[in-house]
Amino acid sequence: GDSVTQMEGPVTLSEEAFLTINCTYTATGYPSLFWYVQYPGEGLQLLLKATKADDKGSNKGFEATYRKETTSFHLEKGSVQVSDSAVYFCALTRGSTLGRLYFGRGTQLTVWP
Amino acid sequence: GAGVSQTPSNKVTEKGKYVELRCDPISGHTALYWYRQSLGQGPEFLIYFQGTGAADDSGLPNDRFFAVRPEGSVSTLKIQRTERGDSAVYLCASSSPTGQGNEQFFGPGTRLTVL
Repeated sequence: GDSVTQMEGPVTLSEEAFLTINCTYTATGYPSLFWYVQYPGEGLQLLLKATKADDKGSNKGFEATYRKETTSFHLEKGSVQVSDSAVYFCALTRGSTLGRLYFGRGTQLTVWP
Repeated sequence: GAGVSQTPSNKVTEKGKYVELRCDPISGHTALYWYRQSLGQGPEFLIYFQGTGAADDSGLPNDRFFAVRPEGSVSTLKIQRTERGDSAVYLCASSSPTGQGNEQFFGPGTRLTVL
């Protein structure tokens, strides 16, 4: 069945360090891929998305590229800030139609000044 | 505009009791989803409504769980004979059929604690 595998956390970085959070997926067909973020005390928010192979989603300095050949959607940021501390979830949905999201377990990121 | 709202924000109940959790989606969103998030885990799908009907209820764990959306807007998740293992944050999300790639907008969740 469809599933998402995320790298285990927690991840601890110093401010301005480079961030990578790995995400791979298993899905039938051509899923849409997402990164959601959950800041402390807040609800889930969409960070970025990509709906077809080779698309790059980007937002707030974060990027992720939909790689069909490696079934991956790794999240990257060149220079993290303390305010990026949050839990990050990779997710997929089948195609571009409405339907359930399949989430990874989440990766806790803590950024120290 | 207003986002997805959920009430109550916290619910503490005793084992065996019945609970109802409410979700108000974004106005105009025809799709509504319920998820459950246990501590340290990602959200786990429960049920998806398209309008008034349940388009996919394959995530409901057993027949103690039931959800309705009678007028195609507000939804209620109902849990009978609650068990301690039902303790989790219950999330509601909504989306628009015109949105590409199925972007779902989440509410703040209801934290359910079963004693």
